[in-house]
Amino acid sequence: QVQLVQSGAEVKKPGASVKVSCAASGYSFTSYGIHWVRQAPGQRLEWMGWINGGNGYTIYSEKFQGRVTITRDKSARTAYMELSSLRSEDTAVYYCGLVLKSYYFDWWGQGTQITVTS
Amino acid sequence: AIQLTQFPSSLSASVGDRVTITCRASQGISSALAWYQHKPGKVPKLLIYDASSLQSGVPSRFSGSGSGTDFTLTISSLQPEDFATYYCQQVNTYPHSTFGQGTKLEIK
Repeated sequence: QVQLVQSGAEVKKPGASVKVSCAASGYSFTSYGIHWVRQAPGQRLEWMGWINGGNGYTIYSEKFQGRVTITRDKSARTAYMELSSLRSEDTAVYYCGLVLKSYYFDWWGQGTQITVTS
Repeated sequence: AIQLTQFPSSLSASVGDRVTITCRASQGISSALAWYQHKPGKVPKLLIYDASSLQSGVPSRFSGSGSGTDFTLTISSLQPEDFATYYCQQVNTYPHSTFGQGTKLEIK
């Protein structure tokens, strides 16, 4: 059974960084990529970026380019999303997502609440 | 970037009603569109992919249609568990994707 298990909620101060993990199981980690999506309160889902589980190649949304870094640890079967220079507008639930067939998110992590407050 | 606009933004309906939600893309995206159902505290659930294909395990009362720039999600007979927010997603430039702003379906 495919599972994506994310790290727990965090509270950060403006200007800090946060790193969220997504531990994967139940499929061939190196054969598929993992996406990161966030949803701020009252806002639409927003795609942030993607990492190839095999070679670590990344593609980022222009909006987050320069502030987001997505990495993966093949041995730990875990992907990470680090967002820097946090501001209050980054308060959101962050999800990792998996595309196993076609181009659509078949599986999602449970979500991680990140709150940015002074 | 391709923008998706959904309408209506919210909708009140009764159990048994037929409802239709529309998603319009800012440029043609062929059939590279999905619909998700999202309930509070839950993760989004894939309902429809490639504009009109029903995801395995999703009830047949859900259907999708459209191509190019205009797409619809139809629920033929609303059930109590269908009250949620619905999002469209385009993947024409995969792995980039964008989502619509959502349509909140509420009980009348």
